[in-house]
Amino acid sequence: DMKVTQMPRYLIKRMGENVLLECGQDMSHETMYWYRQDPGLGLQLIYISYDVDSNSEGDIPKGYRVSRKKREHFSLILDSAKTNQTSVYFCASSPRGGETLYFGSGTRLTVL
Amino acid sequence: GDQVEQSPSALSLHEGTGSALRCNFTTTMRAVQWFRKNSRGSLINLFYLASGTKENGRLKSAFDSKERYSTLHIRDAQLEDSGTYFCAASYQGGRALIFGTGTTVSVSP
Repeated sequence: DMKVTQMPRYLIKRMGENVLLECGQDMSHETMYWYRQDPGLGLQLIYISYDVDSNSEGDIPKGYRVSRKKREHFSLILDSAKTNQTSVYFCASSPRGGETLYFGSGTRLTVL
Repeated sequence: GDQVEQSPSALSLHEGTGSALRCNFTTTMRAVQWFRKNSRGSLINLFYLASGTKENGRLKSAFDSKERYSTLHIRDAQLEDSGTYFCAASYQGGRALIFGTGTTVSVSP
């Protein structure tokens, strides 16, 4: 069953707290992505990972970092969360050179 | 084979003119989205359609699941419309987005 799994689905944090969003995929895809989705802004690319320990900044990396120690897992970390990081975060994966992105269900993060 | 065929691959327009981008699907799709890619790689959502047409300013999109195509019309093109446009479609019950190969639109004075 091909899928991208995100945990948690919902998360509420206070400003200044650390946040860890987890993403897993069972398709052995090389490339993984973290996006955030805000009204009127579409999908903004935060980071892209081409394989284990091969990560590149996307459009809006400031305030985020990522970790990819295993091909099937890609984590998004917010050190000291800010209220403007309240958003819906989507993880996606694709095979190398593939045009199909498989998306997770999203994590709705609220930073108070 | 390619499930989403996007055309044309490149489009040159003069300001004030218009044209259409098209995506053909080899199978029945549940919904289609149109994006414009900004210079840093983010995808700006233009339209999401499960059927019918939507219009926003000078852009109009249509989706016909039965006939397996979607279009994006640009009218009265402006310089800021330049960029790469992608369609992406999803299957019935699926979360995967299958992207077209993109159309690079260049608008000149």
